[in-house]
Amino acid sequence: GESVGLHLPTLSVQEGDNSIINCAYSNSASDYFIWYKQESGKGPQFIIDIRSNMDKRQGQRVTVLLNKTVKHLSLQIAATQPGDSAVYFCAENENSGYALNFGKGTSLLVTP
Amino acid sequence: ETGVTQTPRHLVMGMTNKKSLKCEQHLGHNAMYWYKQSAKKPLELMFVYNFKEQTENNSVPSRFSPECPNSSHLFLHLHTLQPEDSALYLCASSLGQPNTEAFFGQGTRLTVV
Repeated sequence: GESVGLHLPTLSVQEGDNSIINCAYSNSASDYFIWYKQESGKGPQFIIDIRSNMDKRQGQRVTVLLNKTVKHLSLQIAATQPGDSAVYFCAENENSGYALNFGKGTSLLVTP
Repeated sequence: ETGVTQTPRHLVMGMTNKKSLKCEQHLGHNAMYWYKQSAKKPLELMFVYNFKEQTENNSVPSRFSPECPNSSHLFLHLHTLQPEDSALYLCASSLGQPNTEAFFGQGTRLTVV
């Protein structure tokens, strides 16, 4: 079936560097994409979302890029901090539904 | 008080036990969800409710029985579970419209022994 997947299971970056987490999706009907952050012992927390009529959206220290041609989504975190250490999930849905389908997750580890 | 509250946070149960997980949302949302999160697997959507009506059941075994008495409360009744059902069970809520984010609770860590 259709799937949402992440390229790398783990990513280690130094404090202060920029982080890039990638996500591939296969459903060409997907039109809404969202990134979540999950810290240990907590539920997923919304970071940023993007609709398919956009290719870039910026938040505070985070940027999401969407390339519909190759069905690729990325999350960029600027000046990564120790508090950014967590598992990051991408998720998507189609306009015909509202339940989110999640990818496998990338663990981000920020080292001092 | 957090937007989505789940109880209990941790639960250990035997395979012959009956237990229930509870979820409550204070966000005025219309849709509520149960997700299962196992190690090294994506979050698996189990059930979806919109305006108290079940709109999606992703081939979940009958030993999991959801109940949604109103738009603010969601239960997951558990009966005769298997050890492989041990996981983090996450409840979420949303407006119930396309292109809107879901808000998650902290989850219930379930261990079946």
